[in-house]
Amino acid sequence: GAVVSQHPSRVICKSGTSVKIECRSLDFQATTMFWYRQFPKQSLMLMATSNEGSKATYEQGVEKDKFLINHASLTLSTLTVTSAHPEDSSFYICSAPPGTDGYTFGSGTRLTVV
Amino acid sequence: SQQGEEDPQALSIQEGENATMNCSYKTSINNLQWYRQNSGRGLVHLILIRSNEREKHSGRLRVTLDTSKKSSSLLITASRAADTASYFCATRGGGADGLTFGKGTHLIIQP
Repeated sequence: GAVVSQHPSRVICKSGTSVKIECRSLDFQATTMFWYRQFPKQSLMLMATSNEGSKATYEQGVEKDKFLINHASLTLSTLTVTSAHPEDSSFYICSAPPGTDGYTFGSGTRLTVV
Repeated sequence: SQQGEEDPQALSIQEGENATMNCSYKTSINNLQWYRQNSGRGLVHLILIRSNEREKHSGRLRVTLDTSKKSSSLLITASRAADTASYFCATRGGGADGLTFGKGTHLIIQP
């Protein structure tokens, strides 16, 4: 089945620095990738949709300048958290469009900003 | 914005018992999906039920969908310790392609 590889799985960064999270579709091409954010013990919230060859689509309330999303190729989408602050600490997960059944998710990235 | 509400938010049962989780949603849907998330990990797709289906089975899983009540339930029969996880319903409706998740049920299976 479809596999989405997400890296890194964990990252700790200092406040004010930027962090890049990568999601790769390993055995299929994805023109679209979805990025979610999950706070501890809470549900997933769709942040944005990356589109190969065009600008990302952001959900209401998501800061475009803070969360830079780039769909570099048909197999790679990246999320960069710029000028990170402790309140950006969260679990970020990417997902590829559905195959026969459900969506395929990456394994997630735990971001801690200190 | 959050689409669905799951209840209960937390459920603890003995191994071997059945676990039932419910989900409600607010808008029209094309399908409803259930996912499992082990602590600190990504999501695993469990089962998808389309809006024109009322019940679906997959192994020990049974899902129902009532579009008139905008609700769904997930039943896990003969629970095992490995079923301990958080379970989320998610919907994809209208023109949107991303998923809208419910708040989730944290299931604990006591050995």
